[in-house]
Amino acid sequence: DAGVIQSPRHEVTEMGQEVTLRCKPISGHNSLFWYRQTMMRGLELLIYFNNNVPIDDSGMPEDRFSAKMPNASFSTLKIQPSEPRDSAVYFCASSLGSPEQYFGPGTRLTVT
Amino acid sequence: GQQVMQIPQYQHVQEGEDFTTYCNSSTTLSNIQWYKQRPGGHPVFLIQLVKSGEVKKQKRLTFQFGEAKKNSSLHITATQTTDVGTYFCAGNNNDMRFGAGTRLTVKP
Repeated sequence: DAGVIQSPRHEVTEMGQEVTLRCKPISGHNSLFWYRQTMMRGLELLIYFNNNVPIDDSGMPEDRFSAKMPNASFSTLKIQPSEPRDSAVYFCASSLGSPEQYFGPGTRLTVT
Repeated sequence: GQQVMQIPQYQHVQEGEDFTTYCNSSTTLSNIQWYKQRPGGHPVFLIQLVKSGEVKKQKRLTFQFGEAKKNSSLHITATQTTDVGTYFCAGNNNDMRFGAGTRLTVKP
């Protein structure tokens, strides 16, 4: 039984480049969450979707960040242009009408 | 805005000793969740507390939600090496805020 799938697991890119992180939630789950984790700021909720619709994006740091969920089985988080301060582990999580969120393994992003 | 403070930041214990982490919110919460993250891993949901004064137990773990629904604690009895990791609380009141986490290390 596959859990939340994220790709890539690691991404190293240069400042100014576009970065796209991908997430496949658990089949049947109707809520999807994007988080960012750093040593300095801890775990931050960036945005969450319910039934593919963005509900709360107040955690998105700035206009360089955008997230989409074109269908129930796929979501992307895009950073354009990327900056060194965007380096972090980005987690995707999904849930089905319950407080329990299932986290993916994360994408470790390094921007040089 | 809502802030969630968690203490201590680190805790090192001898195997068999007890461990407690505390979470305090600047505002009244509708609910609070607890997660565990192993080193190099991802957060794993442990429990959600909703009711004022609620106490829930999972084997050696005891979770409490304060009467005012502004604070919570997680207590582990007789720690084991498998308890190693970072424990996060996440307070919910229209938006979800995670505490900074308490990193637990256990010496065998």
